Amino acid sequence: AQSVTQLDSQVPVFEEAPVELRCNYSSSVSVYLFWYVQYPNQGLQLLLKYLSGSTLVKGINGFEAEFNKSQTSFHLRKPSVHISDTAEYFCAVSDSNDYKLSFGAGTTVTVRA
Amino acid sequence: NAGVTQTPKFQVLKTGQSMTLQCAQDMNHNSMYWYRQDPGMGLRLIYYSASEGTTDKGEVPNGYNVSRLNKREFSLRLESAAPSQTSVYFCASSLNRQGWYGYTFGSGTRLTVV
Repeated sequence: AQSVTQLDSQVPVFEEAPVELRCNYSSSVSVYLFWYVQYPNQGLQLLLKYLSGSTLVKGINGFEAEFNKSQTSFHLRKPSVHISDTAEYFCAVSDSNDYKLSFGAGTTVTVRA
Repeated sequence: NAGVTQTPKFQVLKTGQSMTLQCAQDMNHNSMYWYRQDPGMGLRLIYYSASEGTTDKGEVPNGYNVSRLNKREFSLRLESAAPSQTSVYFCASSLNRQGWYGYTFGSGTRLTVV
């Protein structure tokens, strides 16, 4: 079974600064990787995904992530954040064994002016 | 708007009471899921239904039952609620069990068991 570790539980950042959210996973088979965002009192929304092909994937709202197979990582980045990016971000992984989606514990991003 | 609809949004139960959380999707998705979200633990899969007519246990199924009523609806039942079931519950759906197009989530049910 796969597992997901998000290395930072909270990330404070100033507006217009870059941000990186770290995610590592463990799985012995082919993996499929996702980042979801949860705004306060809402459900989760898909930011981006990696299924195959180019290891750099671009998502909505200016976010991008890079799949690194050797380091089993899928870190999320944004070059310049806005106040509206304040939210909780979840890394998730499924694999070709059973395709069930497993989530990390989440990273809360707080953007300050 | 198309999506996943959950009812109720909030509920307070006494220990030992039962209730059913309802979930419906109108995107013609085949697969549906129930997750619970607890602080610091992310989302944990309770039960899922890969297709109409099938249901399977997830990571934390104890104390819950589910019914895939038809392709649109997937309900979660707590037969005898316990304080440990205080949580936010999310229903989600995906086009197929591989979930490659991503999951669509409902807005959640905040359940408190006292």
